[in-house]
Amino acid sequence: DVKVTQSSRYLVKRTGEKVFLECVQDMDHENMFWYRQDPGLGLRLIYFSYDVKMKEKGDIPEGYSVSREKKERFSLILESASTNQTSMYLCASSFSGSSHEQFFGPGTRLTVL
Amino acid sequence: AQSVTQLDSQVPVFEEAPVELRCNYSSSVSVYLFWYVQYPNQGLQLLLKYLSGSTLVKGINGFEAEFNKSQTSFHLRKPSVHISDTAEYFCAVSGGYQKVTFGIGTKLQVIP
Repeated sequence: DVKVTQSSRYLVKRTGEKVFLECVQDMDHENMFWYRQDPGLGLRLIYFSYDVKMKEKGDIPEGYSVSREKKERFSLILESASTNQTSMYLCASSFSGSSHEQFFGPGTRLTVL
Repeated sequence: AQSVTQLDSQVPVFEEAPVELRCNYSSSVSVYLFWYVQYPNQGLQLLLKYLSGSTLVKGINGFEAEFNKSQTSFHLRKPSVHISDTAEYFCAVSGGYQKVTFGIGTKLQVIP
């Protein structure tokens, strides 16, 4: 069974802290994505990666960075967390083939106090 | 550029009644279209997808969708809903290079 896992389901951090969100997929997918989900705004793409050590900015990259050192792992980093980064964060992965179907992890609900 | 419009943010429907969730898209290239479902406190899972071929696509849990190129629509339908269909549904479009654009979601509330 295909699987995307995220390191935490719930996370509470303080303003100014450095936050790491980890995502691991076991499907040997080339592409990986980080989204944030907010009520009324749907899913918004933060960053994506189509290969190891490659990254591309999505629609809302400000305040975030990413790291992809291994094919199966894609990390989202909040260098200095702020209250407006309180959100649900979803990781996804996909093959580089023609399907474009994305497989999602269960999400991390981050609260920044 | 590509975009997705989900016309209804919430749809209440009685159990065993039919439902249609509306989705319109825009894209400058040929598209792939998707519907995803998100149950409470879970990630998204694929309901169905249109890549090419027949414009009527059947998915899991009795859902189907019809691709209408002239109206740039991809509406999701189910002839008889169940309580367990209560969830949020997302329409999505991909025009190339794997980047997928999602709509804002439609919350389906099935009333017993």
